[in-house]
Amino acid sequence: AQTVTQSQPEMSVQEAETVTLSCTYDTSESDYYLFWYKQPPSRQMILVIRQEAYKQQNATENRFSVNFQKAAKSFSLKISDSQLGDAAMYFCAYSRETSGSRLTFGEGTQLTVNP
Amino acid sequence: NAGVTQTPKFQVLKTGQSMTLQCAQDMNHEYMSWYRQDPGMGLRLIHYSVGAGITDQGEVPNGYNVSRSTTEDFPLRLLSAAPSQTSVYFCASSYSGLDTQYFGPGTRLTVL
Repeated sequence: AQTVTQSQPEMSVQEAETVTLSCTYDTSESDYYLFWYKQPPSRQMILVIRQEAYKQQNATENRFSVNFQKAAKSFSLKISDSQLGDAAMYFCAYSRETSGSRLTFGEGTQLTVNP
Repeated sequence: NAGVTQTPKFQVLKTGQSMTLQCAQDMNHEYMSWYRQDPGMGLRLIHYSVGAGITDQGEVPNGYNVSRSTTEDFPLRLLSAAPSQTSVYFCASSYSGLDTQYFGPGTRLTVL
């Protein structure tokens, strides 16, 4: 079975600074997808960024980028120029290519942004 | 589009009661899923469906039933509620297995 581990229960960053959230996963599959979801206090799950395992290039979405290391099974999220609105719980998630809608989530990292 | 909608937003049950959590989407998505989120944990998959008439179990299916009679709706039934089912429940949908999932706003369920 696939597992996703986020070893940082809490992180904090100063506004305008950069922070990196860590995620490792375990799988025997070669094709899969990795995601970072943001959950603000409103509880809504918001997709931040997505990475296809077959792509060597790291995904980027505005201030959010990932460092995908397939051999190390590592998938970290870098948030640049942090903003107060980035404060939320962040979840790393894994999906197999053929598994349809099934996502396996990590435990989450609570990010605090200090003004 | 309303996206993914869930009702109710909050619910309190007594042990042994039954109820149905409703989930609907208006995006003609094939795939729909139910997750639960417990404090300090990520979301865990309960049941999922790849189309009308087709459902399968996820990681934590015990105590829950689902059916998918239409593309739009995917209700989750608790047959005999237990305190261990106190959680926040999320429904999600996507057009295909490779597509981004859209999540509903969640239902907070408390079982006393």
